[in-house]
Amino acid sequence: EVQLVESGGGLVQPGGSLRLSCAASGFTFSSYWMHWVRQAPGKGLVWVSRINSDGSSTSYADSVKGRFTISRDNAKNTLYLQMNSLRAEDTAVYYCARDHGGYDSSGYHDYWGQGTLVTVSS
Amino acid sequence: EIVLTQSPATLSLSPGERATLSCRASQSVSSYLAWYQQKPGQAPRLLIYDASNRATGIPARFSGSGSGTDFTLTISSLEPEDFAVYYCQQRSNWPQTFGQGTKLEIK
Repeated sequence: EVQLVESGGGLVQPGGSLRLSCAASGFTFSSYWMHWVRQAPGKGLVWVSRINSDGSSTSYADSVKGRFTISRDNAKNTLYLQMNSLRAEDTAVYYCARDHGGYDSSGYHDYWGQGTLVTVSS
Repeated sequence: EIVLTQSPATLSLSPGERATLSCRASQSVSSYLAWYQQKPGQAPRLLIYDASNRATGIPARFSGSGSGTDFTLTISSLEPEDFAVYYCQQRSNWPQTFGQGTKLEIK
């Protein structure tokens, strides 16, 4: 059974940092692109970042570029999101999601974690 | 950035009825469109990808159609568990974007 379990969320002050983790199991993690998608309270879904299967290629939404860094450790089956210079508008539930395509990214998300809430507030 | 506009914002129907949800793109996305279902407090679930392909384990009552800029998600006969929020998503152009959602509620 595919499982994605996020952790690392919490309350942080504006300008602070947080690192999210996503532990994957039930599939060959190193064969899949992975994504982070966020959802502000009561709002819709917004794509944040993606990383290819071996970690050599990444991309980011303009709203987080230069502040967030996606990475992965295939030996530990874990995806990360390092978030720096956090702003109030980054407050959201952050989901990790598996890319539907495997080695070749499809851009769709077939499995999602349960999400971790990040609250940026003083 | 491609904007996806979903309509209606809220759809009120009864179990057993047919639901038709619309997603319109600000420019052509070919057939690179997906639909997701999200229930309160849960993560989204992939229903349809590439406009008309059902994802693994999705019941046949869910179907998708369309290409270019106009897409439709149809639920042929609503079950109680189908009442949720539905999002469309395009992956044709970077960055991928989602619609604002349609809430399907029980009438």
